[in-house]
Amino acid sequence: GQQLNQSPQSMFIQEGEDVSMNCTSSSIFNTWLWYKQDPGEGPVLLIALYKAGELTSNGRLTAQFGITRKDSFLNISASIPSDVGIYFCAGQLADGGSQGNLIFGKGTKLSVKP
Amino acid sequence: NAGVMQNPRHLVRRRGQEARLRCSPMKGHSHVYWYRQLPEEGLKFMVYLQKENIIDESGMPKERFSAEFPKEGPSILRIQQVVRGDSAAYFCASSPGRGLSGYTFGSGTRLTVV
Repeated sequence: GQQLNQSPQSMFIQEGEDVSMNCTSSSIFNTWLWYKQDPGEGPVLLIALYKAGELTSNGRLTAQFGITRKDSFLNISASIPSDVGIYFCAGQLADGGSQGNLIFGKGTKLSVKP
Repeated sequence: NAGVMQNPRHLVRRRGQEARLRCSPMKGHSHVYWYRQLPEEGLKFMVYLQKENIIDESGMPKERFSAEFPKEGPSILRIQQVVRGDSAAYFCASSPGRGLSGYTFGSGTRLTVV
């Protein structure tokens, strides 16, 4: 099936540092989404991107939809302890048929040392 | 305004039993999606339903799994004759219409097969 390659798999950083993670694919996407999942909970949407080249911010988070439509990155500035969790990229294929299904990356586990 | 409600939150079944997972979409949402998440993995799409119709079941295993979304009541994901490999977190999402606007996940059902 289709795959999203998300990296890094995990990060362990100092509070106050900036964080960057990305997703790439060999397929073209028409939407990129970034989610955060806390233990025992469902994914919560952080940022949605709908156009190639789009750069969107949500507080300390910034994400971009790659020009080739095959990649996206998420940056978190000045990390704080509550940023701990697993971050997932997800996308909807350009030829995604029913438009109902999202393809998820395997996640980036973020740990912050206070 | 309640979010997407899934129950039970945790379900333990012996091998060979049936598992029934329920999902009540957000108010005003008539589209439901089911995903499965194995440990240390991203979510994998299973099925997309609209009231009384299956729109896309491209991610559903061919045997033992079925889903419905009746005119009245919650959506049900049913797994017959469960095996240990079915142990996972199952998430439901809902949206008001086709596409990703308002697409919201529930907190999931953790199924453990013993």
